[in-house]
Amino acid sequence: DAGVIQSPRHEVTEMGQEVTLRCKPISGHDYLFWYRQTMMRGLELLIYFNNNVPIDDSGMPEDRFSAKMPNASFSTLKIQPSEPRDSAVYFCASSFQAKQSRTGELFFGEGSRLTVL
Amino acid sequence: KQEVTQIPAALSVPEGENLVLNCSFTDSAIYNLQWFRQDPGKGLTSLLLIQSSQREQTSGRLNASLDKSSGRSTLYIAASQPGDSATYLCAVEVLGGGADGLTFGKGTHLIIQP
Repeated sequence: DAGVIQSPRHEVTEMGQEVTLRCKPISGHDYLFWYRQTMMRGLELLIYFNNNVPIDDSGMPEDRFSAKMPNASFSTLKIQPSEPRDSAVYFCASSFQAKQSRTGELFFGEGSRLTVL
Repeated sequence: KQEVTQIPAALSVPEGENLVLNCSFTDSAIYNLQWFRQDPGKGLTSLLLIQSSQREQTSGRLNASLDKSSGRSTLYIAASQPGDSATYLCAVEVLGGGADGLTFGKGTHLIIQP
């Protein structure tokens, strides 16, 4: 398996534009997570899905952020409209639920670095 | 709310030394604890996962311990090599309430001097 695949790897956009980040989890994994990483705040969980269903989106900062998982092999994180403070690296991760661990070992994509001017 | 702290924030040691990275968490009600490695511009790679019922895990030169009662974990790296240079993050999986998934520390930036 190629691992978790994210696109784009880098995106530079202007304030007010819509940004869509994409993720393909590892085949067979039933959990998918979206994280945001900044120098100031470290890694923050935004939202996660179990079997394509959003379980907890309490980490999503504002209504400008939305995430979908239409099927087991694809998820998107959308920011509309984008603002400079959204600049960060956005990571997608997936895992398979192990017997004694709710989410199991986590596998990360290489991230999408977003810069909003 | 679970908080994870890693000390030190940065560490530089000569090649060959054994070293210990520390992680502490405020709520001992966890499912497990994971240690990750992050190279510059890359995602995170899982190194070790310790279940809440376990005390330690080993992989090669790495050994991670877990003391739930005191809210602490350590990552021991033996015979360090320049290739070990990276940021090491620990994360705990919380027991329900609020956001699930992992809560991460901010990491320890490790430099191994050749």
